Amino acid sequence: KAGVTQTPRYLIKTRGQQVTLSCSPISGHRSVSWYQQTPGQGLQFLFEYFSETQRNKGNFPGRFSGRQFSNSRSEMNVSTLELGDSALYLCASSLAPLGRTDTQYFGPGTRLTVL
Amino acid sequence: EDQVTQSPEALRLQEGESSSLNCSYTVSGLRGLFWYRQDPGKGPEFLFTLYSAGEEKEKERLKATLTKKESFLHITAPKPEDSATYLCAVHILTGGGNKLTFGTGTQLKVEL
Repeated sequence: KAGVTQTPRYLIKTRGQQVTLSCSPISGHRSVSWYQQTPGQGLQFLFEYFSETQRNKGNFPGRFSGRQFSNSRSEMNVSTLELGDSALYLCASSLAPLGRTDTQYFGPGTRLTVL
Repeated sequence: EDQVTQSPEALRLQEGESSSLNCSYTVSGLRGLFWYRQDPGKGPEFLFTLYSAGEEKEKERLKATLTKKESFLHITAPKPEDSATYLCAVHILTGGGNKLTFGTGTQLKVEL
């Protein structure tokens, strides 16, 4: 069974640009969560999508947005990039949404560098 | 404010030298505590979920325990392949819905 895949794996952007990251969950999984990981702040929850609806949201500005498609694939968009957005962006999939599952499977992440 | 603190930040052990990693938390309405392992350049790998004080779970050389304020990950007779960053996370229910809050991790290095 294929794991969670994320594309691209590496990305370099400049301040002010926008970026879209993609996540394909494990087959059959309908929940996708997004996280930002930085050396200073660690792993921080961005948001969760289940059946194309955002169910849960962390404390990030509106520049961070996402969506989920009918095939459960998800995209995350960051607009007006700032230097502080440089991070490893991880997505995790699960059969059920947070609160109804105790296991999330993480992808390898997308390393975003903002210059 | 909900907080999750892991200690130590880094730990170096000799092969076979048992030890424990700590995850202390200050949250309202804990719904579960998770342990993950993360290798360099990879996403976290799920290890355990604990739900109530007194609960214990084991997997190979790892054993996780939970009290009302903290969790321990005990590593018995570790091997070099146990070297990784170990993360704990708490699942809480907030006004914004369900949320996972992670600690910053303990970087474990096991040497021959």
